[in-house]
Amino acid sequence: EAAVTQSPRNKVTVTGGNVTLSCRQTNSHNYMYWYRQDTGHGLRLIHYSYGAGNLQIGDVPDGYKATRTTQEDFFLLLELASPSQTSLYFCASSDMGGAETLYFGSGTRLTVL
Amino acid sequence: AQSVTQPDARVTVSEGASLQLRCKYSYSGTPYLFWYVQYPRQGLQLLLKYYSGDPVVQGVNGFEAEFSKSNSSFHLRKASVHWSDSAVYFCVLRTVNMGYKLTFGTGTSLLVDP
Repeated sequence: EAAVTQSPRNKVTVTGGNVTLSCRQTNSHNYMYWYRQDTGHGLRLIHYSYGAGNLQIGDVPDGYKATRTTQEDFFLLLELASPSQTSLYFCASSDMGGAETLYFGSGTRLTVL
Repeated sequence: AQSVTQPDARVTVSEGASLQLRCKYSYSGTPYLFWYVQYPRQGLQLLLKYYSGDPVVQGVNGFEAEFSKSNSSFHLRKASVHWSDSAVYFCVLRTVNMGYKLTFGTGTSLLVDP
């Protein structure tokens, strides 16, 4: 079974702060995704990638950058964090781009004060 | 545009009782539908999926779901729930338009009273 590991588990920063969320997956999945989960919204796609060096824009990309450095590693960057970005962030991976079964990490809870 | 509605934000049932979690979708094309479960402090895990064929699909841990094109629904069922089924359940719609897209419902939080 694919494993997706996120770090940190929890993060607190101040408005205007710089935050990097990390995600690593095993099993060499091609696709990786960043979602945010907010009450009343379900999960919303921020960015995704289908391979090292590739980046695709999701549905709620404003205020976020992402980088896929290797097949395994996908990072989400908040360069000027705002309170509206307080959320639970999930990374996921899948083998194919047809949104076949997604494998999720355990999430990073980010609080922006 | 596509959408997924889970009308019940919270459901409470007694252990051993039957369960139905409702999901309605809106999409003009052929829907691919999923149910994911999120246990406390964990990521989402796939319960089951429907692509085509038999409208009743079986999943893990005794869950099943029934697709209805006429009702635009994909309800999740279980005959007898266990306290460990307490979790948040998400209905997810996959659509195709210039690529694949997943639309998540807002989730239903299930509490099973032991």
